[in-house]
Amino acid sequence: NAGVTQTPKFQVLKTGQSMTLQCAQDMNHNSMYWYRQDPGMGLRLIYYSASEGTTDKGEVPNGYNVSRLNKREFSLRLESAAPSQTSVYFCASSEVNNYGYTFGSGTRLTVV
Amino acid sequence: QKEVEQNSGPLSVPEGAIASLNCTYSDRGSQSFFWYRQYSGKSPELIMSIYSNGDKEDGRFTAQLNKASQYVSLLIRDSQPSDSATYLCAVLTASKLTFGTGTRLQVTL
Repeated sequence: NAGVTQTPKFQVLKTGQSMTLQCAQDMNHNSMYWYRQDPGMGLRLIYYSASEGTTDKGEVPNGYNVSRLNKREFSLRLESAAPSQTSVYFCASSEVNNYGYTFGSGTRLTVV
Repeated sequence: QKEVEQNSGPLSVPEGAIASLNCTYSDRGSQSFFWYRQYSGKSPELIMSIYSNGDKEDGRFTAQLNKASQYVSLLIRDSQPSDSATYLCAVLTASKLTFGTGTRLQVTL
């Protein structure tokens, strides 16, 4: 049982480049989330999808877009990367919105 | 005032001792509380959840909730070096889950 799978694990982008972070879960969870984690800031919610077909902004959505492709997959897109987006990104899922997250292994993104 | 506050630590305890990790929250309407453990360079992992006042035990872990005082604690009995990690408190308030910045625990031999 793979749980939550994120790709890639590491990425270096130049300022202005775009990329998509992929996330897939095989637990039949309804809700999926994207967080970023920065030193001293804790985990901050970027976007979430409470159920298939819905997406909503979290605390820090600027500069990001998301797509809930189906129940399993939830992708995060950076259209024009900025150094301020250097962070560790975590995807998570839960059966019930906000309860009992399972996190993916994370993507360490550096924007230069 | 931060919504969820934790002492960043490090909290250093000797092996076999009880580690006590604390978390305070600002909104009296908060209804659910979670503890996640995060090893260095790894993703957070849910270890405890608590929804009502009092204690909840799971193995060596005990979560304590006091809604009147707006704090939630995690006790780790018989601490082991493998418990060395950062412990994140998360508080659910009106469909918004807020994480604290975590307390780093070091269990020394």
